[in-house]
Amino acid sequence: AQRVTQPEKLLSVFKGAPVELKCNYSYSGSPELFWYVQYSRQRLQLLLRHISRESIKGFTADLNKGETSFHLKKPFAQEEDSAMYYCAQREASNTGKLIFGQGTTLQVKP
Amino acid sequence: ETGVTQTPRHLVMGMTNKKSLKCEQHLGHNAMYWYKQSAKKPLELMFVYSLEERVENNSVPSRFSPECPNSSHLFLHLHTLQPEDSALYLCASRKEGPGANVLTFGAGSRLTVL
Repeated sequence: AQRVTQPEKLLSVFKGAPVELKCNYSYSGSPELFWYVQYSRQRLQLLLRHISRESIKGFTADLNKGETSFHLKKPFAQEEDSAMYYCAQREASNTGKLIFGQGTTLQVKP
Repeated sequence: ETGVTQTPRHLVMGMTNKKSLKCEQHLGHNAMYWYKQSAKKPLELMFVYSLEERVENNSVPSRFSPECPNSSHLFLHLHTLQPEDSALYLCASRKEGPGANVLTFGAGSRLTVL
């Protein structure tokens, strides 16, 4: 079964420090990967997806098929980045079902 | 509120009650989903409706009963729940088609079962 792993439950950094939220996936084909973010008291929302190769709010994520990873990075963390981050992979079927990792809480301290 | 709207936002019910969660979207999407978000688990997919037809039932107990009367509305009927069913229930929708794999989530319905 496809699986998405986020090894860190909590990542705590100081403002201005670089951030890397780890994500590994298990599917060996051509995966579709996403990062979703949930700020305090807000709904879960899409942050970015790998096919767009975009940078949102300073975050980027590169798909590394060799390492089956899709780590989320930002060079300089801001306090407003504090949130829960979920890595997700689209299941290899027609339902568009997303398989989520367990999530990583990012805490950016002043 | 635009996008995906869920009601009620908070619900407290006893184990013998019957209640329903409602989800509504006017984004022109044609697939809708129920997810369960518990405190110590990853997001879990419960049900998928595509073009109003249930295409996925992810081993969910029968005390949860989904209903999708049209492409804009999705319900989750709850009956004789257990305390461990307390969680945030998220509705999401999506436009099916090439490249359209982004889910739009509602704010969730926080359910507490006493």
